[in-house]
Amino acid sequence: EDKVVQSPLSLVVHEGDTVTLNCSYEVTNFRSLLWYKQEKKAPTFLFMLTSSGIEKKSGRLSSILDKKELFSILNITATQTGDSAIYLCAVDFGNEKLTFGTGTRLTIIP
Amino acid sequence: DVKVTQSSRYLVKRTGEKVFLECVQDMDHENMFWYRQDPGLGLRLIYFSYDVKMKEKGDIPEGYSVSREKKERFSLILESASTNQTSMYLCASSFPLGLKANTEAFFGQGTRLTVV
Repeated sequence: EDKVVQSPLSLVVHEGDTVTLNCSYEVTNFRSLLWYKQEKKAPTFLFMLTSSGIEKKSGRLSSILDKKELFSILNITATQTGDSAIYLCAVDFGNEKLTFGTGTRLTIIP
Repeated sequence: DVKVTQSSRYLVKRTGEKVFLECVQDMDHENMFWYRQDPGLGLRLIYFSYDVKMKEKGDIPEGYSVSREKKERFSLILESASTNQTSMYLCASSFPLGLKANTEAFFGQGTRLTVV
């Protein structure tokens, strides 16, 4: 069964800290892994990863995929209160559907 | 600017009512999806459609049906609403996921449905 597991489920850190969010998956087939940020309602797209070992970066956010060990991490450096959100990981198992993990709720304390 | 629009932000319905949730996208996407989001369970796929009049069950289709008569519109129908269908419903659309590089799904704002 295709499955996506995120950890931790929730995380509370102080502003300025660096955080690492984890996403692992069990695979029958794999095409891509996507990260989304959900602040209030609509999840907004952050990264898509298809190749192992290649880091995607956008400002203070970066992500990398390990296809051998079947996981991805999302790093946020120098966190700000605006980074508080639910971070969602989704995998395209090659069947035109996106399977999501449960999400990580990140709270940044000023 | 890419847009997925859900017809209602908040809905309150009574048990047994028939409920329609509408979603419209303006990006000419082939794929459209309906998810529900519940605390601790993440986003779970209810149904998706990869073309007009085509539909496929997701992971939790029981109690739901869908309609896709036009490419831009995908409707979720609760035939007889029950309290366990109280949830946040999210619509999304995308190009075929394997067709183009860097293709992602775009989401609507969500509909929070309460069944009383």
